[in-house]
Amino acid sequence: SAVISQKPSRDICQRGTSLTIQCQVDSQVTMMFWYRQQPGQSLTLIATANQGSEATYESGFVIDKFPISRPNLTFSTLTVSNMSPEDSSIYLCSVEPPARNTEAFFGQGTRLTVV
Amino acid sequence: AQTVTQSQPEMSVQEAETVTLSCTYDTSESDYYLFWYKQPPSRQMILVIRQEAYKQQNATENRFSVNFQKAAKSFSLKISDSQLGDAAMYFCAYRRNTDKLIFGTGTRLQVFP
Repeated sequence: SAVISQKPSRDICQRGTSLTIQCQVDSQVTMMFWYRQQPGQSLTLIATANQGSEATYESGFVIDKFPISRPNLTFSTLTVSNMSPEDSSIYLCSVEPPARNTEAFFGQGTRLTVV
Repeated sequence: AQTVTQSQPEMSVQEAETVTLSCTYDTSESDYYLFWYKQPPSRQMILVIRQEAYKQQNATENRFSVNFQKAAKSFSLKISDSQLGDAAMYFCAYRRNTDKLIFGTGTRLQVFP
């Protein structure tokens, strides 16, 4: 299993500013994932973060808007840049252990409100 | 592209009763994995149950069981003896090998005493 600590749990930010979300895992994992969950919606993958390489972004998400760092095998950050009210969402980090059929573990999520 | 569909935006059940949540998916693959996740108001995503496509036997975890129909691409979740703590959003998810998880749109389950 894996225990994930995600910070902050919530924040209210002014438009035009940036927020960095941190994700700490209690074990080493190769891949970490960042999701966005808009109000009342499902989870959408933003990007996959591998240690030692550039993050891989899904269609509709760009590095300038959502820069990601992955300095080691237990930590990652997601920054939401130049925020607008449309960025108000829950952001979740997730890890999936290397075995094919084991579950994905999620952080507690960050509820972001942009005003 | 793989898709996951949950046709029931909301469901309700009385305590101690049984409820079934529906999920269908579209894939051309034969080897994949299916999951049901629960998201209570705390936002924490919790795995409820998982099914490997190569296994014919339906997965069971205590009060939770699935009806996996591979040919029909259907993966429903049955919750028996429903409890107030089962109230949450339930997401069906698909994954091919080590690819990313693809989530359905979710079903909000309400449990009435």
